[in-house]
Amino acid sequence: DSGVTQTPKHLITATGQRVTLRCSPRSGDLSVYWYQQSLDQGLQFLIQYYNGEERAKGNILERFSAQQFPDLHSELNLSSLELGDSALYFCASSVDGGDRSQQYFGPGTRLTVT
Amino acid sequence: KDQVFQPSTVASSEGAVVEIFCNHSVSNAYNFFWYLHFPGCAPRLLVKGSKPSQQGRYNMTYERFSSSLLILQVREADAAVYYCAAPFCGGFKTIFGAGTRLFVKA
Repeated sequence: DSGVTQTPKHLITATGQRVTLRCSPRSGDLSVYWYQQSLDQGLQFLIQYYNGEERAKGNILERFSAQQFPDLHSELNLSSLELGDSALYFCASSVDGGDRSQQYFGPGTRLTVT
Repeated sequence: KDQVFQPSTVASSEGAVVEIFCNHSVSNAYNFFWYLHFPGCAPRLLVKGSKPSQQGRYNMTYERFSSSLLILQVREADAAVYYCAAPFCGGFKTIFGAGTRLFVKA
């Protein structure tokens, strides 16, 4: 158990819909990362937040957005969903977002778009 | 373009030493992170750093733009996907390789 929690575990929705994935970082961690893992694809970095502010953006689509709240939990919003958005979405947290800081991964949310 | 490269698959027999190679083209990345990922579970960090290191059966070699993950006495249970990652911009960005799927024969 990494201490990072993600809800829901599974999500099934239809194309065109909007969903919100939630992540609670480990206690004391200020930085949150979101990753997408599609079928047979590697982990793709989407976005990082540090203490409520966006720090880095990766391959995140314009249809996707995220935020980190004052209590440090984070939400990833996916809208106008397409079949290709079906994937595992991982959240990770680290103490300070530094490059020597270990990232602790949550169990992931499996999104299925039908 | 900043990229991390690693082989898509590696095959081995039980008891052998497996080497998974990684290299990157990220000019301002100085560390490597190696993750173990069983599909459906959260990736787990195995070793990391900017110098050779060892954690149990996992060894990491280090060169400026390349690293190898060595798995000693590999077992069938080690069959999984191994990701190499290069953090940069002070850790604010990380590029992952596409992952190497390890196959282990009994």
